[in-house]
Amino acid sequence: EAGVAQSPRYKIIEKRQSVAFWCNPISGHATLYWYQQILGQGPKLLIQFQNNGVVDDSQLPKDRFSAERLKGVDSTLKIQPAKLEDSAVYLCASSSQTSGRARGDEQFFGPGTRLTVL
Amino acid sequence: GEDVEQSLFLSVREGDSSVINCTYTDSSSTYLYWYKQEPGAGLQLLTYIFSNMDMKQDQRLTVLLNKKDKHLSLRIADTQTGDSAIYFCAESFYGGSQGNLIFGKGTKLSVKP
Repeated sequence: EAGVAQSPRYKIIEKRQSVAFWCNPISGHATLYWYQQILGQGPKLLIQFQNNGVVDDSQLPKDRFSAERLKGVDSTLKIQPAKLEDSAVYLCASSSQTSGRARGDEQFFGPGTRLTVL
Repeated sequence: GEDVEQSLFLSVREGDSSVINCTYTDSSSTYLYWYKQEPGAGLQLLTYIFSNMDMKQDQRLTVLLNKKDKHLSLRIADTQTGDSAIYFCAESFYGGSQGNLIFGKGTKLSVKP
């Protein structure tokens, strides 16, 4: 089974520029997550999709960040304009949520996109 | 509020046991997880425990949960150099945001030969 795919793996931009990240979840997974992981910290949830609807975007800085999941499969996360403090690894994860409470909500993570804002 | 705390570093010798500790603040968490992150890689789920359990064993891994003290630990028996990585404790809740994981800052485990 193929894992969660993300691209690009690395991106360097200057502040005030725009950037977009792409994620392809595991086939059949209904739920998709975007996390931001700043160096030395644990991942922080930015947005959660269930199919193509947003479940939780309470921690997404909506003045500059946007995300979409067209057709409930792939997703893109955009930052416009970028700030220095956006330098981080952006992780995408997916889960099936078909296992229910018996097994918990196991999330499968992609390798991440490392963003450097200069 | 939700907060997960871990010590930042742990160093052990190959063959010894490693114990990584975690404390959390929200007693309504339903599942607690341990994830492993190797350099340049995403997070890999190692194991998880449901909040009504106090222990779970999976090969070299033993998870202990003290719900009264809100303390979670991960014991790795016979630690190998390949276990060197950052280990994250995480909690999740079933409620308004199903599956929302709250992570600690991670414990960097160094295994010396």
